[in-house]
Amino acid sequence: EPEVTQTPSHQVTQMGQEVILRCVPISNHLYFYWYRQILGQKVEFLVSFYNNEISEKSEIFDDQFSVERPDGSNFTLKIRSTKLEDSAMYFCASLGAETQYFGPGTRLLVL
Amino acid sequence: GESVGLHLPTLSVQEGDNSIINCAYSNSASDYFIWYKQESGKGPQFIIDIRSNMDKRQGQRVTVLLNKTVKHLSLQIAATQPGDSAVYFCAETLTGTASKLTFGTGTRLQVTL
Repeated sequence: EPEVTQTPSHQVTQMGQEVILRCVPISNHLYFYWYRQILGQKVEFLVSFYNNEISEKSEIFDDQFSVERPDGSNFTLKIRSTKLEDSAMYFCASLGAETQYFGPGTRLLVL
Repeated sequence: GESVGLHLPTLSVQEGDNSIINCAYSNSASDYFIWYKQESGKGPQFIIDIRSNMDKRQGQRVTVLLNKTVKHLSLQIAATQPGDSAVYFCAETLTGTASKLTFGTGTRLQVTL
């Protein structure tokens, strides 16, 4: 069964450093999403992406964040200058007929 | 360090009993609802969905009930098993728009032997 995959599974970085989180959505899906989940809290929407453009973004998704589909399979989330409060699980999702399917997540820890 | 998160409501049930997990959603315009299961360290996993033109939908061992009048969803799990132990989230969205999912706060289900 096709799955969304994400790399790395864990990332530790220093405050102020740039990180790139990678996702491979399910191959025939066209809409892609990033969500984050701070420890013990609910999943929060960050951004959606379609046809090489951002469709929708939340107030969390400020100028420090960017997304890109650099090739036909990868979908990336870049955080330009990480802050302590960026520590969270980051989930990529892609949209099937109606349902979003999630990857296993990247745990980001900013020190 | 990592921040301390909110305490999740916890439902403890004995193996073999039925579980009922509740969720209040926020947007009266939402017309598509999904229950996700999240095991520790993993991403949300689709369990069952329901559209707003229905009030009940059954799957294998799971049933979702929708009450649009009070904006309430419930997930019923029959004959709960240890493998059902996880955090369960409801999510709401609008169909046909590829719109974001808005998640509820989640309930931790603990299955005791």
